[in-house]
Amino acid sequence: AQSVTQLDSQVPVFEEAPVELRCNYSSSVSVYLFWYVQYPNQGLQLLLKYLSGSTLVKGINGFEAEFNKSQTSFHLRKPSVHISDTAEYFCAVRRYGGSQGNLIFGKGTKLSVKP
Amino acid sequence: DVKVTQSSRYLVKRTGEKVFLECVQDMDHENMFWYRQDPGLGLRLIYFSYDVKMKEKGDIPEGYSVSREKKERFSLILESASTNQTSMYLCASSLPPGQGYSPLHFGNGTRLTVT
Repeated sequence: AQSVTQLDSQVPVFEEAPVELRCNYSSSVSVYLFWYVQYPNQGLQLLLKYLSGSTLVKGINGFEAEFNKSQTSFHLRKPSVHISDTAEYFCAVRRYGGSQGNLIFGKGTKLSVKP
Repeated sequence: DVKVTQSSRYLVKRTGEKVFLECVQDMDHENMFWYRQDPGLGLRLIYFSYDVKMKEKGDIPEGYSVSREKKERFSLILESASTNQTSMYLCASSLPPGQGYSPLHFGNGTRLTVT
């Protein structure tokens, strides 16, 4: 079975500062990895995904994440955040060949960007 | 753009009532999902459906049932609502994994309060 741990439940940061949201996963088989974002009063939307190939993946709104197989991590980064990045971020994992019903979400990290 | 519409944004029901949460998607997606979102617990899958009249239990199906009579509509049913079902409910849809990677597209959620 797969599991996902988001190491920080809340991350406060000042505008224009860099940010890293941490995600570790556990799986005995190869996995796909995702970050979803939920803006206030909205559903989730896909930020970026790692399926295969280059371990550095770029997503929308200037976010990127790096897949590190040896450390079983998929941390999300942005070099300079904006107020509009205030949202909750969810890391998710699905095993190769698994159905969409096997998508496992972490508990979420609330990013709060202050002026 | 894919649109997933949940019929109610807020719903207040009494203990013991039968509750229907409705979800409609407009992109002819085969897969549809119901998640429950609680603070500190992330998203937990209740049920998903990969075709009309087909359904599979997720991680927390107890106390819930679903109906999918048409491809575009997926209903979540609380047979006898209880206070511990007070939560945010999110519907999502996607293509099957075999048709290239398809992200989940989420509705904006229904916040259900059971008193």
